[in-house]
Amino acid sequence: DAKTTQPPSMDCAEGRAANLPCNHSTISGNEYVYWYRQIHSQGPQYIIHGLKNNETNEMASLIITEDRKSSTLILPHATLRDTAVYYCIVRRLNTGFQKLVFGTGTRLLVSP
Amino acid sequence: DTGVSQDPRHKITKRGQNVTFRCDPISEHNRLYWYRQTLGQGPEFLTYFQNEAQLEKSRLLSDRFSAERPKGSFSTLEIQRTEQGDSAMYLCASSFPGTGSPLHFGNGTRLTVT
Repeated sequence: DAKTTQPPSMDCAEGRAANLPCNHSTISGNEYVYWYRQIHSQGPQYIIHGLKNNETNEMASLIITEDRKSSTLILPHATLRDTAVYYCIVRRLNTGFQKLVFGTGTRLLVSP
Repeated sequence: DTGVSQDPRHKITKRGQNVTFRCDPISEHNRLYWYRQTLGQGPEFLTYFQNEAQLEKSRLLSDRFSAERPKGSFSTLEIQRTEQGDSAMYLCASSFPGTGSPLHFGNGTRLTVT
C-alpha cells in the first residue's frame, strides 16, 4: 500500500474549520484514501473514504486533488471533542485481503 | 451499543504468565482483525479472519501469540509466556464482507506486563 505523509500536529480554534492535509504521491489507481481518528483511550473511529471524487458525510468532507497525490480532511466546525489523532491511510482494494496500514497520524488539538 | 466489544479493558500480568483477550465483533461482520498499538504509534496489524479461517498473519505475531475464531463469531487472542515488550493496547476490528468496507474498531484491551 502507498505510504502517506501527514504533519505530526495541528491546532484549531473551536468553531473554526479544521483542514488536515495528507500527501500520498505514490498512490495507484486502485487505492482508496481512508481517514480514521483516535480519541485518547479509545479505538480508531472510521470517518470517511474516497477514490477520486470529493466525499461528504455527517462527520467531515474529503477533498482529493485531481492527480490524487494529496487529500484534505475538513471538519467544518471543530469542537473540543474533535481533539484526536487523525490517520490518513491508503488502502488497495481487491477481492483479497484488505488490511489497513496506519502511520503516526496528525495530532489535532482543538482549543476554546 | 452494537459496536465491537473487547474484554477485559485492562489486564495487568506478571512476566511469564499467559493471558487471553476476547473480541465480539459487530453481528453479521464476517471479517475480524487484531491490531496492536504501543504508545505514540499507530496500530499495527497482527492477524485477520474471514469467518473462522485465519487468512493472514503478520510477522509481529510470534509463536507465543495465537488467535482463534472457532465459530466465526467471537475471537480470542492468547499470549503465552508474556514479556514486558508485549505491553500494549490490543485492538480488535470487524467489517462487512464487501470490498472496501470500513473497519470498525473496539476500544481495545490494555495489557501491562510487570
